[in-house]
Amino acid sequence: NAGVTQTPKFQVLKTGQSMTLQCAQDMNHNSMYWYRQDPGMGLRLIYYSASEGTTDKGEVPNGYNVSRLNKREFSLRLESAAPSQTSVYFCASLAGPNEKLFFGSGTQLSVL
Amino acid sequence: EDQVTQSPEALRLQEGESSSLNCSYTVSGLRGLFWYRQDPGKGPEFLFTLYSAGEEKEKERLKATLTKKESFLHITAPKPEDSATYLCAVQSTDKLIFGTGTRLQVFP
Repeated sequence: NAGVTQTPKFQVLKTGQSMTLQCAQDMNHNSMYWYRQDPGMGLRLIYYSASEGTTDKGEVPNGYNVSRLNKREFSLRLESAAPSQTSVYFCASLAGPNEKLFFGSGTQLSVL
Repeated sequence: EDQVTQSPEALRLQEGESSSLNCSYTVSGLRGLFWYRQDPGKGPEFLFTLYSAGEEKEKERLKATLTKKESFLHITAPKPEDSATYLCAVQSTDKLIFGTGTRLQVFP
C-alpha cells in the first residue's frame, strides 16, 4: 500500500519558471491538501480539495493553482516561480472529518 | 486568535533520560489534537489523536496527555531511534493549525 505519492522529490527553478507538483493517493480518501513547510514556521495550508471536483484556498494560496484531476490525484502548479516559494511542499489526504492526515514524502523546491 | 505553541524548540537527551514535550493551544472549539513524528527528509507520520481533556494515549515509549490548555508528549527511557521532530496540530471548528515542532535528539 503506497499511501500518498509525490513527485518530484527535488526541483530547482529559476525565477519566472513554471512547474507542477504531482500527488496521488491510493486510500480512496475524499479530501486532499497541499502544505508548505518553512524553517521556524508550522505547516501552512496552501489549497485543499474536500472532494473530487472542488478546491478551496487555504492560508497561503497566492502564487499557486491546483487541480483535482480525479479522486486519486491533486496537483499544485506554480505559474511563475518566485524565491519566496522556496520551501518543502507536502501533499496529504484525509479519511474523514477530525481524522488524521496521511502525508507524502515531500518535494524540496528551490527557486533561484 | 487561534494559536499553537510548542516548547522547547529543541531538546537533547541522553538515552534513557525521560522528558516531556509541550504543546499549548488557544483555539475556538477544540475538535481534536494530533501528534505527528517527522524524520529528516520525510513527511509527518501520525502518532496520536486526543479529543477531550483528561484523555491519554500510549504507544511504546510515548504517552500523550491533554488538558483544556495544553498537551504533553511524555517520552520514557528514550532511545536514539526516537530522534525526530515532533509536531502538534490542533483542529478547531474550521481549521487545522500546526505548531512549529520540537526537534528531539537522543544520544547513546
